[in-house]
Amino acid sequence: EPEVTQTPSHQVTQMGQEVILRCVPISNHLYFYWYRQILGQKVEFLVSFYNNEISEKSEIFDDQFSVERPDGSNFTLKIRSTKLEDSAMYFCASSRTEETQYFGPGTRLLVL
Amino acid sequence: SQELEQSPQSLIVQEGKNLTINCTSSKTLYGLYWYKQKYGEGLIFLMMLQKGGEEKSHEKITAKLDEKKQQSSLHITASQPSHAGIYLCGANGVFGTSGSRLTFGEGTQLTVNP
Repeated sequence: EPEVTQTPSHQVTQMGQEVILRCVPISNHLYFYWYRQILGQKVEFLVSFYNNEISEKSEIFDDQFSVERPDGSNFTLKIRSTKLEDSAMYFCASSRTEETQYFGPGTRLLVL
Repeated sequence: SQELEQSPQSLIVQEGKNLTINCTSSKTLYGLYWYKQKYGEGLIFLMMLQKGGEEKSHEKITAKLDEKKQQSSLHITASQPSHAGIYLCGANGVFGTSGSRLTFGEGTQLTVNP
């Protein structure tokens, strides 16, 4: 059964460093998403991406964040200058239509 | 804006017992999704409900959406240790958001004791 994959599974970085989180969505899906979950808190929407552009973003998704689909398979989330409060589990999701989203296993980001 | 409220926050049951988890919204839901999450892992899709009064089942898990589309319940029959995890309800198209953005409840932590 096809699934969303994410790399790396864990990332430790120093405050102020740039990180790139990578996702491979399910192959015939057209909509792509990033969510995050700070430890002990709710899963929060960051951004959705369709037809090679951002379709919606939350107030969390400020200028420090960017997304890209550099080729036909990868979908990336870049954080330009990480802050301590960016420490969280980041989930990629994809969907064929604007309905059921399938989530990846997540990347646990720790900013020191 | 009103968010999704889940109850209970946590639940401990003996293996073989039935249980129900609720998800409530103050606004009519467009789509209601149930996911399961194991601690520190990804979200596994369980079921989607869209129509008022809709009910879906998968193995021993049944989810319902009420007629007013403001409350959903997830019922597990004859629980097993494999059912343990965090159950999340999510909704789209409400709370002033557009498109497919999902808003999630806080989750219900289920423990099933053998």
